[in-house]
Amino acid sequence: KQEVTQIPAALSVPEGENLVLNCSFTDSAIYNLQWFRQDPGKGLTSLLLIQSSQREQTSGRLNASLDKSSGRSTLYIAASQPGDSATYLCAVLPMTTDSWGKFQFGAGTQVVVTP
Amino acid sequence: NAGVTQTPKFQVLKTGQSMTLQCAQDMNHNSMYWYRQDPGMGLRLIYYSASEGTTDKGEVPNGYNVSRLNKREFSLRLESAAPSQTSVYFCASSERPLETQYFGPGTRLLVL
Repeated sequence: KQEVTQIPAALSVPEGENLVLNCSFTDSAIYNLQWFRQDPGKGLTSLLLIQSSQREQTSGRLNASLDKSSGRSTLYIAASQPGDSATYLCAVLPMTTDSWGKFQFGAGTQVVVTP
Repeated sequence: NAGVTQTPKFQVLKTGQSMTLQCAQDMNHNSMYWYRQDPGMGLRLIYYSASEGTTDKGEVPNGYNVSRLNKREFSLRLESAAPSQTSVYFCASSERPLETQYFGPGTRLLVL
């Protein structure tokens, strides 16, 4: 069974520093990997989706990389701002016959950016 | 364009009571999902509907039933609520099963 891990569970950085968030997964057979942001008491907002054939995706200050062979993805947020404070979750879509549409989520990394 | 909407936002139930959580999307998506989120455990898939008329079990389906009423609406029913079902429930949708999922704001359920 696919296991998705995000370490650390919580992270605090001063404003302006670059954020590096990690996601690891146990089975490299995946269709894609998605990063989400969750604000307290809110739903999830999709940030980036990386297909299995891709090595990275970029959107503004966000860059996500994918290394299937090592079972890792990293989300970089450049020049962090207090508004980046949130919980960040990664999810993988396993490539098995019964996993169609069934994303497996990590528990998330809670980020605080201090002014 | 509201995206994914969920009702109610918050509910308190007594053990053994039943209720239905409602979800609707206005993005003309084919696939819809129900998740629960518990502290420290991430999101776990309860049920999933690849397209109108089909449903499939996820990781934690016991104690729940679903109905894909039409393309827009996907409801989750708790027939006899238990304290272990205290959680935050999220509905999501995507155009196709392999694509980006869009989430609703969640329903916070407390079972006493």
